[in-house]
Amino acid sequence: GDSVTQMEGPVTLSEEAFLTINCTYTATGYPSLFWYVQYPGEGLQLLLKATKADDKGSNKGFEATYRKETTSFHLEKGSVQVSDSAVYFCALSDFTGGFKTIFGAGTRLFVKA
Amino acid sequence: DTGVSQNPRHKITKRGQNVTFRCDPISEHNRLYWYRQTLGQGPEFLTYFQNEAQLEKSRLLSDRFSAERPKGSFSTLEIQRTEQGDSAMYLCASSGRQGNHGYTFGSGTRLTVV
Repeated sequence: GDSVTQMEGPVTLSEEAFLTINCTYTATGYPSLFWYVQYPGEGLQLLLKATKADDKGSNKGFEATYRKETTSFHLEKGSVQVSDSAVYFCALSDFTGGFKTIFGAGTRLFVKA
Repeated sequence: DTGVSQNPRHKITKRGQNVTFRCDPISEHNRLYWYRQTLGQGPEFLTYFQNEAQLEKSRLLSDRFSAERPKGSFSTLEIQRTEQGDSAMYLCASSGRQGNHGYTFGSGTRLTVV
């Protein structure tokens, strides 16, 4: 079945450092890919998405590119802030799965001032 | 629209009791999803509705769990004869006609079974 694998955390960075969180997926169809973010004490929020190969999703300085050849959707940000400290979830949604979304286990990010 | 609303936010119950959670989705969204999230894990799919029809149930959803969405509006998730292993955050999300554009999640109901 469909699955998502993302790098284990926690990831600890200093403010203004470059962030990469790796995500790879397995899917039988042509899924849409997502990154969701969960800030402390809050619910999950959609951060960005890409619906087809080579699409780049972006939001709040975060970017991720849908790479079909490597089945990857890595999250990047050029300069992180303390306020980016959260748990980040990579996810996919596939028509063959009835458009239910499959989530990775999450990667916790700590950003130090 | 105030987004997806879940009630209660927290529920503590004794083992063996029944509990019911409610989810009010975004009004124009016809798809509604229930997920369960335990500490340190990503959300796990439980079930989803398109309008009032329950289209899929996960194997995680034992016969003690039942969900309804009467009239295609709000939804309820009931757990009968709760067990300590049911302790988790129960998340509700909704989406438009095509779920491949992402979900809007509620804040969740945290269940603790003692």
